[in-house]
This record gives sequence, C-alpha cells and structure tokens, in this order.
Amino acid sequence: DTAVSQTPKYLVTQMGNDKSIKCEQNLGHDTMYWYKQDSKKFLKIMFSYNNKELIINETVPNRFSPKSPDKAHLNLHINSLELGDSAVYFCASSQGSGAITDTQYFGPGTRLTVL
Amino acid sequence: QQPVQSPQAVILREGEDAVINCSSSKALYSVHWYRQKHGEAPVFLMILLKGGEQKGHEKISASFNEKKQQSSLYLTASQLSYSGTYFCGTESVGGSEKLVFGKGTKLTVNP
Repeated sequence: DTAVSQTPKYLVTQMGNDKSIKCEQNLGHDTMYWYKQDSKKFLKIMFSYNNKELIINETVPNRFSPKSPDKAHLNLHINSLELGDSAVYFCASSQGSGAITDTQYFGPGTRLTVL
Repeated sequence: QQPVQSPQAVILREGEDAVINCSSSKALYSVHWYRQKHGEAPVFLMILLKGGEQKGHEKISASFNEKKQQSSLYLTASQLSYSGTYFCGTESVGGSEKLVFGKGTKLTVNP
C-alpha cells in the first residue's frame, strides 16, 4: 500500500504556465510538508501544514500556493513558472503536531522541468 | 543554518565500514538521518534527540554529541544496498520546528 503518493511523477511545461502537484497520504498523519530538491540535491523545506493549518512558510515566492483540503491531502499550485522552478518536489507527512521528533515519510517526488 | 556533512563522498568495498559526520554551528535539539537512492525518495534511518533518546534502524548506529553539536552515522560491514546519498537534518534549539538538511554524503559500495 502506498503511504505517501504524489501526482504527477513527471511534469514538463513551458515558462509562464500554471501547474499543480497533488499529494495524498494514507497514514493518518496530521502534518504534511512540501520540500524542494534542486539539481545539486539540496533538500529544502517550503511549507508544512498541521490539520489543514499552515505551520511553516519558508521564504518561498508567492507564486507557490499550498492548499490542504483535508489533513490527508496537500497540493501545491505554482503560477507563472520560471526556469529556476525546475527541481524535484517531495511531499512528506508525519504523525502528531509536526514536532521534529516525528519521523517524516516522503512521497516518490515530482520532477518538474520548466522549458 | 545548514549543517555541514563530511565527507562529501565515500567509496567502499562490500564489508568495509564508513562514518558520516554532521555538524552544526547552532545548539541542536534533534538530528535526523535519511538515505536517498538515485531517483527515489529519502527514507528515514534514525532520529537522535537531545538527552540521548534514539529511534531508528536496527542495523545502523549513530551518535549525537550535544556539546559539540555533532552527529555521526556509523555504517558497519557495508552492503551493496547501503549505496545512496545520506542526509542529516537538524532542528536547532529554539528553532521553528523545521528540519534543515545538509548537502548530503554520497556513499558508493562496490562488490
């Protein structure tokens, strides 16, 4: 059974387009995250939500807007895509209130390529 | 503040041991270790908490020196399956409950 799933796995698009990435977890976790991993493999947190409430919002351009319709889903919408947005985006989830003592379970990633 | 990992890369033969280090300039509350294989998601290995508690993988050991803000991951009798990039993620004392990851250590285990 898939614990944390993301769609799509690959996304190739033109500069200026708007795209969304979806994430779902079936672990019953309360906290979900979005991470960005760049071409140098640097893994950086973007957002975290706990029970649909935004907890962490790093210095991410406001072209990125997360949405959590319920605690099992956290989607990421990106407006006006730029070349620098090309990366692998990972969704993750953890139990509880998002305390950093909780293990984070990562989804398979979405490789976004902006042309 | 991003933790610093060393070495950046290491190549082993099967059965050899390796140590991967992670250090921070800030006082740490916890250190998390993850392994990522090429094209896959990071997978949890271990959490080390201030005060000595550990949670994690049976076959991998790690240490956390709170005074030095350092953690080390010990990979003994390495197997081919240990190959991948190892990341430490740290949470600072008084931090905002987020993990800041190091740049990773690429481990290659050859037959």
